Amino acid sequence: QSALTQPASVSGSPGQSITISCTGTSSDVGGYNYVSWYQQHPGKAPKLMIYDVSNRPSGVSNRFSGSKSGNTASLTISGLQAEDEADYYCSSYTSSSTLLRVFGGGTKLTVL
Amino acid sequence: QVQLVESGGGVVQPGRSLRLSCAASGFTFSTYGMHWVRQAPGKGLEWVALIWYDGSNEYYADSVQGRFTISRDNSKNTLYLQMNSLRAEDTAVYYCARDYYQLPDYWGQGTLVTVSS
Repeated sequence: QSALTQPASVSGSPGQSITISCTGTSSDVGGYNYVSWYQQHPGKAPKLMIYDVSNRPSGVSNRFSGSKSGNTASLTISGLQAEDEADYYCSSYTSSSTLLRVFGGGTKLTVL
Repeated sequence: QVQLVESGGGVVQPGRSLRLSCAASGFTFSTYGMHWVRQAPGKGLEWVALIWYDGSNEYYADSVQGRFTISRDNSKNTLYLQMNSLRAEDTAVYYCARDYYQLPDYWGQGTLVTVSS
């Protein structure tokens, strides 16, 4: 069981917007502004899309945005494109004594 | 550009050992911390270990504490993961990743470790 909870799947049509949620606790998502999001295409390495809740690394499309409210973080993708179809993972710093970083179980995004 | 290339994966019997390597290029390796993160087949990501830029501190997930050791050779721009007492549940693709304020930013393509008799 993953430390952060994500929906197993979401879908949307090209041009639409979707939001993926990521729920943790006050020891991770809710306690720190250190939530990040990764995109992973099949057989490929994860790619950092959002860091520190809402910041985009250089080169990442502004169609990707992040936010947080309480213990839940969200990734929104606007203007969906076929190439956005991938798995998305959230991650957070944690104050757990046995972990430094926790991940969500991943969300499969299907572009219809 | 940042490039990370893992090697050393393969099939190993339970209880045996394996050492993974990660060759880094495209950035000043000696000034960055480095992570290992794994992904079991068809599963999500699991953080494994972090080592500081100078090797002075190491952190491990509870699931590997005492069995795995992360290390680095800054003269060779290489990161290592020594895995001992391997178990079936350690079967996964192992990724090395560069650290950016305790979060992995750039990742390698991974190397598959299969623990099976």
